[in-house]
Amino acid sequence: DIVMTQTPLSLSVTPGQPASISCKSSQSLLYSDGKTYFYWYLQKPGQSPQLLIYGISNRFSGVPDRFSGSGSGTDFTLKISRVEAEDVGVYYCMQSIQPPWTFGQGTKVEIK
Amino acid sequence: EVQLLESGGGLVQPGGSLRLSCAASGFTFSSYAMSWVRQAPGKGLEWVSAITESGDRTYYADSVKGRFTISRDHSKNTLFLQMNSLRAEDTAVYYCARPPDFDYWGQGTLVSVSS
Repeated sequence: DIVMTQTPLSLSVTPGQPASISCKSSQSLLYSDGKTYFYWYLQKPGQSPQLLIYGISNRFSGVPDRFSGSGSGTDFTLKISRVEAEDVGVYYCMQSIQPPWTFGQGTKVEIK
Repeated sequence: EVQLLESGGGLVQPGGSLRLSCAASGFTFSSYAMSWVRQAPGKGLEWVSAITESGDRTYYADSVKGRFTISRDHSKNTLFLQMNSLRAEDTAVYYCARPPDFDYWGQGTLVSVSS
């Protein structure tokens, strides 16, 4: 199984400051079709997860441009350029290159 | 608008069974693979099962293999998860979602396994 490892597991950020979350996979997520099956999700308190980033760096519909994704192969990063109060919650990375599809442990982001 | 609406959760005793449903709307259901993901109380997300667009192939996490069965009904635009031999560790909110992007999620249905 592919293991997804997120760091840090918690983050306390002052509003307006940047934040960064790392995710490492135990195997390359680049598939033979040229796509990288790597994603970032945010689960706000009391809500279902919502897709933020797909294919490493593509923002999903409606996601603010303060969110950006980067990386390749096995190392990926989610950056929030200026954290806002509505960004609190748990961020998960995920791979769907092959079953079993696996998630990172989650990174809890709170506001200072 | 894509909508996924889970139902069928509840309290069940260890060893019991439940059947979850996920009613899909706002997209061509038969053109998408579908999946179940669960989240135990206070824990992270765990992929459970998936089924191809046609339903000819199914996939399961090792933790549920042999006990859970995923299926779909295109005439009803509905995804199912038959859960047998339930254990306390199956207690979770169960979500349905569309792989591989998991771009839309339902609100979830809570399954509690306890005596």
